Amino acid sequence: EAQVTQNPRYLITVTGKKLTVTCSQNMNHEYMSWYRQDPGLGLRQIYYSMNVEVTDKGDVPEGYKVSRKEKRNFPLILESPSPNQTSLYFCASSRYNSPLHFGNGTRLTVT
Amino acid sequence: DQQVKQNSPSLSVQEGRISILNCDYTNSMFDYFLWYKKYPAEGPTFLISISSIKDKNEDGRFTVFLNKSAKHLSLHIVPSQPGDSAVYFCAASPSGGGADGLTFGKGTHLIIQP
Repeated sequence: EAQVTQNPRYLITVTGKKLTVTCSQNMNHEYMSWYRQDPGLGLRQIYYSMNVEVTDKGDVPEGYKVSRKEKRNFPLILESPSPNQTSLYFCASSRYNSPLHFGNGTRLTVT
Repeated sequence: DQQVKQNSPSLSVQEGRISILNCDYTNSMFDYFLWYKKYPAEGPTFLISISSIKDKNEDGRFTVFLNKSAKHLSLHIVPSQPGDSAVYFCAASPSGGGADGLTFGKGTHLIIQP
C-alpha cells in the first residue's frame, strides 16, 4: 500500500530534550516536506526537500532541522524543543508536479 | 500576509443540499489550485485540483470553479453526504501543480447535518 508513515503518532516531552520524528514513504517520491498545523493558522511548511541531500527552509523553520540522506526518509529533528513547538505535525511526499500525499500526523506536546 | 484565505472557519449544510466552500488568493503568480480534505486523526487527502487555464473542473459530486479575475475559487459538493463532514483546505501553487511553493489556507470545517 502506498503510504507516508510517521512515528510516533503521539509524543509528550519536556523543554530542551532532543527528539526526532521519523517519516518514511514507499512511493519513490522525489519531494518531501514537513508541515505543522495549529488552530486558526492552518498548515504551515517547516522544511522541504526536492531530492536526496537537498533541503530548504519553508515558512516556519526556526527550531527545526531535517536531513535527507535516503530518498524514502525525511526525519524532523527538534534539538531543543520549546512549548511553542507544541503542535500537530504532518510529513508529506509527492512526485514533481503532483499533489502531496500526507502521513497521519504526529501530535507533539512540549511541557 | 496571508496569500490564501478561507474566510469561513466553519459551514453547516443539510444532507442532500449543496455545499459551497470559498477560497480567495492574492498572489497572481499562483497557477494551480488544489483542495484537500481532512478527517480528525488523519492527514489531509487530495480531493480535486484546477489549473489556471481552466475555469471549471468536475469529479463526481465535486466541482471546483476558478475566477482568475476575482482571484477566487470555490468547491461545490452536490449532493452533500454525512461522510463529507471534514475540514477542507484550499491550496495554491505557482509551479504547475507541484508541491514546491504550495501555500495552504486555514481551512473550513464543513458539517453536514442529517
